[in-house]
Amino acid sequence: DTEVTQTPKHLVMGMTNKKSLKCEQHMGHRAMYWYKQKAKKPPELMFVYSYEKLSINESVPSRFSPECPNSSLLNLHLHALQPEDSALYLCASSQGLMSSGNTIYFGEGSWLTVV
Amino acid sequence: KQEVTQIPAALSVPEGENLVLNCSFTDSAIYNLQWFRQDPGKGLTSLLLIQSSQREQTSGRLNASLDKSSGRSTLYIAASQPGDSATYLCAVRPLSLYNFNKFYFGSGTKLNVKP
Repeated sequence: DTEVTQTPKHLVMGMTNKKSLKCEQHMGHRAMYWYKQKAKKPPELMFVYSYEKLSINESVPSRFSPECPNSSLLNLHLHALQPEDSALYLCASSQGLMSSGNTIYFGEGSWLTVV
Repeated sequence: KQEVTQIPAALSVPEGENLVLNCSFTDSAIYNLQWFRQDPGKGLTSLLLIQSSQREQTSGRLNASLDKSSGRSTLYIAASQPGDSATYLCAVRPLSLYNFNKFYFGSGTKLNVKP
């Protein structure tokens, strides 16, 4: 099973709402990622969790708050977003060590629209 | 800082043609390079991963090569089909304990295979 599952697939939220995006993997991966992707652009890294600890934060605004409750789950909490935050949010996972291979696997993404 | 470039940005070919997509990177200190496919509005699907010590990888009609010293990788697609139409992205993983989980993506090549 090489699946990363993201929910919801689509989300529309107002600028004052609080919502969350969820991500789950059961491949035993110890690194999990959030990426943001705008139309016709490559994915931009937001956060990386390694062994359930936040290891990379690419200077993301505090209105995005990541959480890693356990090694299989990754959440992205959203609050007071702006319309320019509308994008496809991708979750990914990979093995956490420099082992052979180390493919990164992506979920199908959550489409976020901020109105 | 690692820069990844993909040329061409878009490519349109008739069905059955063999084609080559290019990916170049500025820093040869890489751990691996991965090729992905992305269909409109979807997540990224891993196609091939090449470790830095490898020269090429093959999967079906796809063949990826890596020349680390010159900072280049190519993705060869044999006998292209309309179902191959998608955006193809390459990503490099740095050979760095500090940035190991920080993938650098190219901007992608949008491929259209005409029936």
